[in-house]
Amino acid sequence: KNQVEQSPQSLIILEGKNCTLQCNYTVSPFSNLRWYKQDTGRGPVSLTIMTFSENTKSNGRYTATLDADTKQSSLHITASQLSDSASYICVVTMYNNNDMRFGAGTRLTVKP
Amino acid sequence: NAGVTQTPKFQVLKTGQSMTLQCAQDMNHNSMYWYRQDPGMGLRLIYYSASEGTTDKGEVPNGYNVSRLNKREFSLRLESAAPSQTSVYFCASSERRQMSSYNEQFFGPGTRLTVL
Repeated sequence: KNQVEQSPQSLIILEGKNCTLQCNYTVSPFSNLRWYKQDTGRGPVSLTIMTFSENTKSNGRYTATLDADTKQSSLHITASQLSDSASYICVVTMYNNNDMRFGAGTRLTVKP
Repeated sequence: NAGVTQTPKFQVLKTGQSMTLQCAQDMNHNSMYWYRQDPGMGLRLIYYSASEGTTDKGEVPNGYNVSRLNKREFSLRLESAAPSQTSVYFCASSERRQMSSYNEQFFGPGTRLTVL
């Protein structure tokens, strides 16, 4: 079973709407949790990073939250744009060996 | 700065053929990584090099070899390709191995490999 599970697998929204993507993880202990954006045919690019003691981190219209007690994180996208169409990947770094565990991603499509 | 570059972008191989995927970074990073990305799965670490002159196995090393040629370059070799190695391969680099808030991995554009 994957140690990082993301939902939904895919999502379609209209331009200008908000959306929230979910990440549940079992990695423990962990040192930080990142959200990456991956455009089609490109490598992932970091959006946010939170340590285990942080609850929220923003990057423009992207806001990530972390609840270390329930082992859940979310990425909220405000006022979506066509350029937000991409896969969003949740990544948890293991505390003991620095290995990163990647979720399978949520494929977001923003339609005009 | 080009960041992390990978060649080739696409490759088709027949079962049993060999090939080397090339990766280079111009950020003077110490650590470099090779991942594979398969549909419905997260990226998985194949091998990494924490610093020049060292290499270590990751989560899925079987069927692969790597060479840290110098600080800039890290290559991945498939000695005898198998259909199970059909995947998208990403190279990444970071200033150091420890993944902290101030140290992130930068990814290349990927190589799409198909093994028939």
